[in-house]
Amino acid sequence: AQSVTQLGSHVSVSEGALVLLRCNYSSSVPPYLFWYVQYPNQGLQLLLKYTTGATLVKGINGFEAEFKKSETSFHLTKPSAHMSDAAEYFCAVRPGGAGGTSYGKLTFGQGTILTVHP
Amino acid sequence: DAGVIQSPRHEVTEMGQEVTLRCKPISGHDYLFWYRQTMMRGLELLIYFNNNVPIDDSGMPEDRFSAKMPNASFSTLKIQPSEPRDSAVYFCATSGPTGNEQFFGPGTRLTVL
Repeated sequence: AQSVTQLGSHVSVSEGALVLLRCNYSSSVPPYLFWYVQYPNQGLQLLLKYTTGATLVKGINGFEAEFKKSETSFHLTKPSAHMSDAAEYFCAVRPGGAGGTSYGKLTFGQGTILTVHP
Repeated sequence: DAGVIQSPRHEVTEMGQEVTLRCKPISGHDYLFWYRQTMMRGLELLIYFNNNVPIDDSGMPEDRFSAKMPNASFSTLKIQPSEPRDSAVYFCATSGPTGNEQFFGPGTRLTVL
């Protein structure tokens, strides 16, 4: 079974400041990890994903995340926040590899709303 | 490609009425997922299909909910009878064979009065 915990339902930063959104996961098998972003009145959009290989993954809009197995974490960062980054962010996990009834099934965290102040 | 298409975008109905939500997946995607999003419960997976076959419906809340995928181009989520607690945004998402990225539709905002 998989689970995801996002620490902090709301994060507020100033424009130009570092963005750090925290995600910890639990998985009985090696996980695939994802960050999605949701803008108001829209569906979710993939920011980045970790499947295998390099543990530091880069995504769209300057975001990146690092898979740390020892800490069971997959925190999302961006060096400099922009007003357009204001949105809700979701971390998600699914079992790695292929096959089985859980294949492709994502478990989402509760989301973190990011507010960016001028 | 137009992406995942959902209709209607907004639905307002009265308690007890039947509601049908529709989804057209991205061409070539063989996985289709139905989610419900509420403030209280967050994003919940209701059911998903692979090659038009339901794989996991453990998230379907009650027998009032049913989903079908009669072909690779169309899926429906039906609520009968609807209740006020069904008010939520319902998303359809699809993915290709690797299942590594799900593409979400814009959602249907359902309000049951």
